[in-house]
Amino acid sequence: DTGVSQDPRHKITKRGQNVTFRCDPISEHNRLYWYRQTLGQGPEFLTYFQNEAQLEKSRLLSDRFSAERPKGSFSTLEIQRTEQGDSAMYLCASSPTGGNGYTFGSGTRLTVV
Amino acid sequence: GEDVEQSLFLSVREGDSSVINCTYTDSSSTYLYWYKQEPGAGLQLLTYIFSNMDMKQDQRLTVLLNKKDKHLSLRIADTQTGDSAIYFCAESPGGDKIIFGKGTRLHILP
Repeated sequence: DTGVSQDPRHKITKRGQNVTFRCDPISEHNRLYWYRQTLGQGPEFLTYFQNEAQLEKSRLLSDRFSAERPKGSFSTLEIQRTEQGDSAMYLCASSPTGGNGYTFGSGTRLTVV
Repeated sequence: GEDVEQSLFLSVREGDSSVINCTYTDSSSTYLYWYKQEPGAGLQLLTYIFSNMDMKQDQRLTVLLNKKDKHLSLRIADTQTGDSAIYFCAESPGGDKIIFGKGTRLHILP
């Protein structure tokens, strides 16, 4: 296992289009997290899963955003009707339950034009 | 509330020590973290400290925790050009999600 993988690395989309990102965590990690990072800011928490259960969602996660982890392994983050303000780096991380700190993926950079 | 504050920039001469400071708000945080982000790269966990510790040393890195003042610092001894990056302080209220500061950009002067 080579770590947390995210796909794609870059995505350019037109405003109003839907986009979906994928995250493959470290296989033995049962927790999976999504964060968003904009220029000059730290990562902002969006949501996290314990296995397939989505345990917490930030109020940053508007109803245009949905995340799933159907089999408790990989996760997808979908943004519907993208807006220019959605342009950011979307980071995925995973950890074992009770683990110290996360392992982050390299992120998906979304540009909405 | 959950908030992590840190200064945005620090310039240090090569070979000197760098000290990056951070304050956090949630006294229930079990662990406090320092992450490093190099340009175009993801976040890398540098070190962490358990909330009942005052200090942790790991090679060139020393973490000091003042729980009373909710103050965390990271000292990098003998700073090298490869240490140039953004350093994020983070807390874990409730032990679930991690809350990050905005990051301190460390610039190394020759």
